[in-house]
Amino acid sequence: GDSVTQMEGPVTLSEEAFLTINCTYTATGYPSLFWYVQYPGEGLQLLLKATKADDKGSNKGFEATYRKETTSFHLEKGSVQVSDSAVYFCALGGGSEKLVFGKGTKLTVNP
Amino acid sequence: DSGVTQTPKHLITATGQRVTLRCSPRSGDLSVYWYQQSLDQGLQFLIQYYNGEERAKGNILERFSAQQFPDLHSELNLSSLELGDSALYFCASSVGSGVNSPLHFGNGTRLTVT
Repeated sequence: GDSVTQMEGPVTLSEEAFLTINCTYTATGYPSLFWYVQYPGEGLQLLLKATKADDKGSNKGFEATYRKETTSFHLEKGSVQVSDSAVYFCALGGGSEKLVFGKGTKLTVNP
Repeated sequence: DSGVTQTPKHLITATGQRVTLRCSPRSGDLSVYWYQQSLDQGLQFLIQYYNGEERAKGNILERFSAQQFPDLHSELNLSSLELGDSALYFCASSVGSGVNSPLHFGNGTRLTVT
């Protein structure tokens, strides 16, 4: 079945560092790909999405490019802030009605 | 604020008991999803309703059931509770039923079974 694998955390960075969180997927067909973010004590929020190969999703300085050839959707940000500390989830929307989520990567950004 | 309301925020109960979790979706959203989040399993899809009808089923145990009412709010019933059912239960809503409709999550109900 469809699945998502993302890098295990936790990830700890200093403010203004470059961030990459790796995400790869297994799916039949042509899924849509998403990154959701969960801030402490809150529910998940959609961060960005891409619906077809080579699409780049971007929001709040975060970017991810849908790479069909490597079945990847890595999340990047050029300069992280303390306020980016959260848990990041990669997700896949395939042929069924539901999203399949990765296990989440906890990011801590220190001042 | 996502507009999705979940009650209660916290629930502590004993093994063997039954509880009901409630979710009010964002205004205008017809789909409601239930997810279970635990440390070891991550975020697991349980069930989805669209406009009152069950649309998709995931890893939902037979001891669990859900429904969506005519006013579109939803309830998740968990019975014969076990220690392993302790988790954060999220409700999410979306306008449509397909995966390209962004999900809006509530803040969750933390269930502790003792």
